[in-house]
Amino acid sequence: GQQVMQIPQYQHVQEGEDFTTYCNSSTTLSNIQWYKQRPGGHPVFLIQLVKSGEVKKQKRLTFQFGEAKKNSSLHITATQTTDVGTYFCAGPIGWDDKIIFGKGTRLHILP
Amino acid sequence: DGGITQSPKYLFRKEGQNVTLSCEQNLNHDAMYWYRQDPGQGLRLIYYSQIVNDFQKGDIAEGYSVSREKKESFPLTVTSAQKNPTAFYLCASGDPGAGNTIYFGEGSWLTVV
Repeated sequence: GQQVMQIPQYQHVQEGEDFTTYCNSSTTLSNIQWYKQRPGGHPVFLIQLVKSGEVKKQKRLTFQFGEAKKNSSLHITATQTTDVGTYFCAGPIGWDDKIIFGKGTRLHILP
Repeated sequence: DGGITQSPKYLFRKEGQNVTLSCEQNLNHDAMYWYRQDPGQGLRLIYYSQIVNDFQKGDIAEGYSVSREKKESFPLTVTSAQKNPTAFYLCASGDPGAGNTIYFGEGSWLTVV
């Protein structure tokens, strides 16, 4: 079954507020990946983190990989309506590194 | 254009029928995946293939079948044994040499009528 857990499942924020989604794996990951799916679209790759404790930024988005390489977070500062969508984390699981996704966090922005 | 092409985008199936969803990639990726997406369920892995002529079951393989005769192609057949096939199906490919980040097609909507 799923071995990548993600919370919260849904998040409603006022435009301009910050948003964070958290991802946890039952096993140590060689890397963690983040994807965004806009309503009606398909998931699009955002970023990959590889190193323990790594932090990467993409404009208002900050991605962190935990020291134990079992958890990660995505933080969006000052949300905008363009941030609406579902954010997924994913990681290579098992002997053959198949990519397993968390259930995603659906972000809804209130104007 | 480079990428992953899924077809058809919309498909209606009568109960008891098998249907095949096409997935083609020209990214020269070794790995290919099929995921199913239902509301609130995220992306669940159906089948995956890391190399031609080899594939493995994912978490929800029952009622589905695949083949990987060519590197570029990974078709998914939804059989009559799949009791609740109405869903959004996503094909993806990945490059293990690049950390196996994956790239998705635009998806196929399957509805049972």
